[in-house]
Amino acid sequence: EAGVAQSPRYKIIEKRQSVAFWCNPISGHATLYWYQQILGQGPKLLIQFQNNGVVDDSQLPKDRFSAERLKGVDSTLKIQPAKLEDSAMYLCASSPPPRTNRAYGYTFGSGTRLTVV
Amino acid sequence: QKEVEQNSGPLSVPEGAIASLNCTYSDRVSQSFFWYRQYSGKSPELIMSIYSNGDKEDGRFTAQLNKASQYVSLLIRDSQPSDSATYLCAVKGNYGQNFVFGPGTRLSVLP
Repeated sequence: EAGVAQSPRYKIIEKRQSVAFWCNPISGHATLYWYQQILGQGPKLLIQFQNNGVVDDSQLPKDRFSAERLKGVDSTLKIQPAKLEDSAMYLCASSPPPRTNRAYGYTFGSGTRLTVV
Repeated sequence: QKEVEQNSGPLSVPEGAIASLNCTYSDRVSQSFFWYRQYSGKSPELIMSIYSNGDKEDGRFTAQLNKASQYVSLLIRDSQPSDSATYLCAVKGNYGQNFVFGPGTRLSVLP
């Protein structure tokens, strides 16, 4: 099966500019996640979608970050305006919903490396 | 605040040795446990999942879970230089909760 698609792979922007990332999950995966991974740290959840609804966005900096998942398939994450501390890898992941209390592991896309200068 | 802790490393082992990676978690009701491997500049890839106490083996990898001690580990037998990467531990609680990732342990396998 095709994996999680993300674009672009790399992006360099100046602070205060805006940037958008795109993700297309594995076909049939209802759950989509956006993670931020700062160098040397583990991934941190930004937002979780179930179909086209938001399940958890408690760690999303809503003053500058926004995300949408129209039609319950692909998703876009936007940062406006960007700050230097937003430099990180942005990872999209998807998973099928768990049938029991045991979760399936995520499948991550290749990620977008963002550098804010 | 749910926490997952790992030694950041680097953990250095000679080629052919057993590498032992450890992870502790704070949420006692955690149900699902995962190990991911992440090469430098790449995204994480799932290598093992474990749900019940005890050992689970998959090729050269063995995951061990002890829920009473809130401890999960990953053993890599016959370590190869290609195993050199950061290993992330991820823990999930009850239904509807998200994964919490540890900071990762960097493993270096020396030829």
